[in-house]
Amino acid sequence: QQPVQSPQAVILREGEDAVINCSSSKALYSVHWYRQKHGEAPVFLMILLKGGEQKGHDKISASFNEKKQQSSLYLTASQLSYSGTYFCGTYGGATNKLIFGTGTLLAVQP
Amino acid sequence: DGGITQSPKYLFRKEGQNVTLSCEQNLNHDAMYWYRQDPGQGLRLIYYSQIVNDFQKGDIAEGYSVSREKKESFPLTVTSAQKNPTAFYLCASSISLAGVLNEQYFGPGTRLTVT
Repeated sequence: QQPVQSPQAVILREGEDAVINCSSSKALYSVHWYRQKHGEAPVFLMILLKGGEQKGHDKISASFNEKKQQSSLYLTASQLSYSGTYFCGTYGGATNKLIFGTGTLLAVQP
Repeated sequence: DGGITQSPKYLFRKEGQNVTLSCEQNLNHDAMYWYRQDPGQGLRLIYYSQIVNDFQKGDIAEGYSVSREKKESFPLTVTSAQKNPTAFYLCASSISLAGVLNEQYFGPGTRLTVT
C-alpha cells in the first residue's frame, strides 16, 4: 500500500538534473510531493490531481500518469538548496488518508 | 505569523512512563495529523482528526492516544504500551480532511528518546 520511490538516493553536482519517481499499486486520485531538510519539517512542493489539475511551486515540475499510477518530480538545474529528502504522498480517495513513500535522499554538491 | 508549533524539540523519558507531545496551530485548520518518522521508513500516520472532539486511528495507532478538545490543539500521548517509542514525531494540519488539493503544513517535530 505504501508507494515506492526511486531512486532511494541520488548525488548531483550543481546545475545537473534529476528525476524522482513515485509508484503505487493502487488507483490514485492525487499525488503530493514534499521536501524535508535534515532534522526539519517537511515542506509542501506540489499536488497533482487526477485529470491534470496541479497546485504548487512555480519552479518545480512534475507529472502524474493515472493509468500507470505513477508520478515523477523533475528537478532541473539543481541548486545546493534542493538537497534534502523528497517524499511523495498518495491519496486514493476512499480513506481520506495520505500515504507517504519511504523517501528519496537528494544531495547536491558544489 | 501562522504556523504549527510542537514542543519540546527534544524529549527524553524512561521506559514505562507515559509522555505527552504538544501540537498547536493558529492556521484555523480543521484537520490535524500525527506522524511518526523512523529512518528509512518515511512518514507513518498515527492518528488524525477532522473536527473538534473527533479523531480516527491511522496505520500505527497502537500504544498512542490523542485528544482534540480545541480546534488549535492536538496533543499526542505516547503510552508505556508503545513497544518502540523512540522516533521523530511530526504534527501536521490542513484546511480540511477531504479536499484533495489541501496540502499539509508540518510542525518542526519532537524527537523522543526512551531509554
